[in-house]
Amino acid sequence: NAGVTQTPKFRILKIGQSMTLQCTQDMNHNYMYWYRQDPGMGLKLIYYSVGAGITDKGEVPNGYNVSRSTTEDFPLRLELAAPSQTSVYFCAAGQVSGNTIYFGEGSWLTVV
Amino acid sequence: GDSVTQMEGPVTLSEEAFLTINCTYTATGYPSLFWYVQYPGEGLQLLLKATKADDKGSNKGFEATYRKETTSFHLEKGSVQVSDSAVYFCACYMDTGRRALTFGSGTRLQVQP
Repeated sequence: NAGVTQTPKFRILKIGQSMTLQCTQDMNHNYMYWYRQDPGMGLKLIYYSVGAGITDKGEVPNGYNVSRSTTEDFPLRLELAAPSQTSVYFCAAGQVSGNTIYFGEGSWLTVV
Repeated sequence: GDSVTQMEGPVTLSEEAFLTINCTYTATGYPSLFWYVQYPGEGLQLLLKATKADDKGSNKGFEATYRKETTSFHLEKGSVQVSDSAVYFCACYMDTGRRALTFGSGTRLQVQP
């Protein structure tokens, strides 16, 4: 059971570089999410998607972009990386009812 | 908007002690409530959930009861083990609007042998 798979697990970026965090799910869930977790803090919602072709901003979308061309994939793009984007990023997927949302294992990103 | 407030940590207990981690929520409506656990270096795992008032979620000896009158969902365990050391997150979910989890800031639990 793969569930939600994120890559890469660890990455170091230089200021101003760009990268894409990949997320794929094999549960055929409509809803997908990207969260970031800063040290000692809870998770903040960056972007979410209610289905293929539909995305919307969460609480902290600045500096990020997403796309949802298929039900399975929900990549998160960082343009012009900044030290403030050093964080742990979690992708998640869930059904419309929201009864259970499944998380990936996280991607640790450091911007130096 | 929705919000979740948890007691600050770290909470340090001896093995076999009783655990309570307080959680209260603010939401317009009746959310579903969750506790997630994060072990060191790992992602979030669903620990338990409750979807309506007076429901009790339970798993691995942990329990939490959905109290609408006090807007609370406190996590309890009668006898903690060293292996329970982790960060615990309370979260709420509304089936309208964003349909996303709103998390508390997390409570670190350290259990000493």
